[in-house]
Amino acid sequence: EAGVTQFPSHSVIEKGQTVTLRCDPISGHDNLYWYRRVMGKEIKFLLHFVKESKQDESGMPNNRFLAERTGGTYSTLKVQPAELEDSGVYFCASSQAGGTGELFFGEGSRLTVL
Amino acid sequence: SQQGEEDPQALSIQEGENATMNCSYKTSINNLQWYRQNSGRGLVHLILIRSNEREKHSGRLRVTLDTSKKSSSLLITASRAADTASYFCATLYTGFQKLVFGTGTRLLVSP
Repeated sequence: EAGVTQFPSHSVIEKGQTVTLRCDPISGHDNLYWYRRVMGKEIKFLLHFVKESKQDESGMPNNRFLAERTGGTYSTLKVQPAELEDSGVYFCASSQAGGTGELFFGEGSRLTVL
Repeated sequence: SQQGEEDPQALSIQEGENATMNCSYKTSINNLQWYRQNSGRGLVHLILIRSNEREKHSGRLRVTLDTSKKSSSLLITASRAADTASYFCATLYTGFQKLVFGTGTRLLVSP
């Protein structure tokens, strides 16, 4: 069974450009989460989907970030326009219905904004 | 902020020694989980302990939970060089559906 996959693994862009990160969760997992780790700090929650619905987006930094989950399958996280402080590693995780158990993480997308 | 804290931030030991990491959190929880991250990789779930449990074992891992002190500890016994990684605790606070992670403990196990 395939795990959580994220693409790209690394993206380097200029300030002001747009980047779209993609996450494919484990098949059948209703819950999908985005997290971000900046400069060795804590892993911060961004948002949580249950199927195609945004359950909790309280961690989204500002309106430059837009997350979607088409048909309750894969998810995209778009940053537009990117700022220097957006640099970090963006992790996607999924879990089965219920949402109180373990999360399965992808390997992350490292974003560098120059 | 609900963010928990791990202690110590970094730990360096020799192979064969035990490693203990601590985690403190803020309010009542449903469960607490520990994850490992190898450099440049994703997080891997290690163990989950529920709020009504006090101790749990999995192989060389032992986790304790003290809800009165709002703290947990992860003990890795007979450490190996392959245990070198960052370790994170994550709490599922009561009434929420998201895990809250701390800043992690970087463990270095030297041969």
